[in-house]
Amino acid sequence: DVHLLESGGGLVQPGGSQRLSCAASGFPFGSYDMIWVRQTPGKGLEWVSRISESGGRTYYADSVKGRFTISRDNSNNTLYLQMNSLRAEDTAVYYCAKKMGVGYYPLDYWGQGTLVTVSS
Amino acid sequence: EIVLTQSPSTLSLSPGERATLSCRASQIVYNNFLAWYQRKPGQTPRLLFYAASSRATDIPDRFSGSGSATDFTLTISRLEPEDFAVYYCQQYGSSLWTFGQGTKVEIK
Repeated sequence: DVHLLESGGGLVQPGGSQRLSCAASGFPFGSYDMIWVRQTPGKGLEWVSRISESGGRTYYADSVKGRFTISRDNSNNTLYLQMNSLRAEDTAVYYCAKKMGVGYYPLDYWGQGTLVTVSS
Repeated sequence: EIVLTQSPSTLSLSPGERATLSCRASQIVYNNFLAWYQRKPGQTPRLLFYAASSRATDIPDRFSGSGSATDFTLTISRLEPEDFAVYYCQQYGSSLWTFGQGTKVEIK
């Protein structure tokens, strides 16, 4: 079974940094693009970032570009999101998710999420 | 980036009724690479459709997806009690993916 487990959330001050991790199992991790999506309190889903299967291509939403960095360690089946210069509006539950296939596909598996709260 | 606008924001219907949800894109969605997800409280999103009309695994046939270019529709022919949830559309045809803001289907 596919399993995605996020960690690293918590309370961080505005301007601070946080690194999220997502441990993957149950599928050939190095064969799939991986994605971070967030959901802010009371609002909908927001796509944050995507990384290609090899890690060679990365993409970011305008709202986080220049502040967040996505990366992956295929030898350890782990996805990361380094978040710098955090703002109150970055407060959200962050989910890692797996793309359904190679090529143009959406997301088929999601983790349970980790809450990041940016507040002084 | 492509902005997806879903309407209505909330749909109040009774079990057995038909639900029609709209998703409109600010630009043409490349090759109709648009997905629909269902989200229930405490659960992760469940993929319903991809490529606008391709049904995902184990999705009942009372659900249908249609549309092209900038206008897409999710239809639930007869609402079952378990269908009351929030539905999101998402485009994955461009480098920067985007979600719609969601439509809540609630019990009238």
